Amino acid sequence: QVQLQESGPGLVKPSETLSLTCIVSGGSINNDYWTWIRQPPGKGLEWIGYIFYSGSTNYNPSLKSRVTISIDTSKNQFSLKLSSVTAADTAVYYCARTKTLRYFDLWGRGTLITVSS
Amino acid sequence: EIVLTQSPATLSLSPGERATLSCRASQSISIYLAWYQQKPGQAPRLLIYDASNRATGIPARFSGTGSGTDFTLTISSLEPEDFAVYYCQHRSNWPLFGGGTKVEIK
Repeated sequence: QVQLQESGPGLVKPSETLSLTCIVSGGSINNDYWTWIRQPPGKGLEWIGYIFYSGSTNYNPSLKSRVTISIDTSKNQFSLKLSSVTAADTAVYYCARTKTLRYFDLWGRGTLITVSS
Repeated sequence: EIVLTQSPATLSLSPGERATLSCRASQSISIYLAWYQQKPGQAPRLLIYDASNRATGIPARFSGTGSGTDFTLTISSLEPEDFAVYYCQHRSNWPLFGGGTKVEIK
């Protein structure tokens, strides 16, 4: 079955750019929407943005100026870049799939990103 | 902008009891509401979509009702593995989540 796996650096310095990749295994990345969602420690869920397999994107307005999501269909993976990070960006970052944009039916296990010098 | 308000924040119940969780939208969202379960250290898991449809593999003790602004997730008889945090979610102009309800063991 399809599985998602996030990978990233774990620790990012303030003002730098956070970069994460989500590898899609067991199925094709084509025909679906792929999204990033984050969760600060002990807090709720925040949608970051999504990308369609064709490359079209949509971002959370509160993060739009700092976010770029890209996709590489040849590698069956998609990526997140979040620039100018601060401690407020410390969170578990999840990648997820949505077929309809109404709900997220498949999630990665998440990766904790800490912003600290 | 639509706001989703979940209540109560915490629900203290015993195994075997019935759990009733509420999600209220600040304006009508038709049936377009999903529910997720999240256990400590795990990713959220989709339980219910479009207000009342169980996702694949979700036990029948989980049910969702509602439309418009008021939605309910019911767990008919709590199993030990059901103690977790539950989130509602809607896709408005962009996806947004409620603040969550923690179902804890009494």
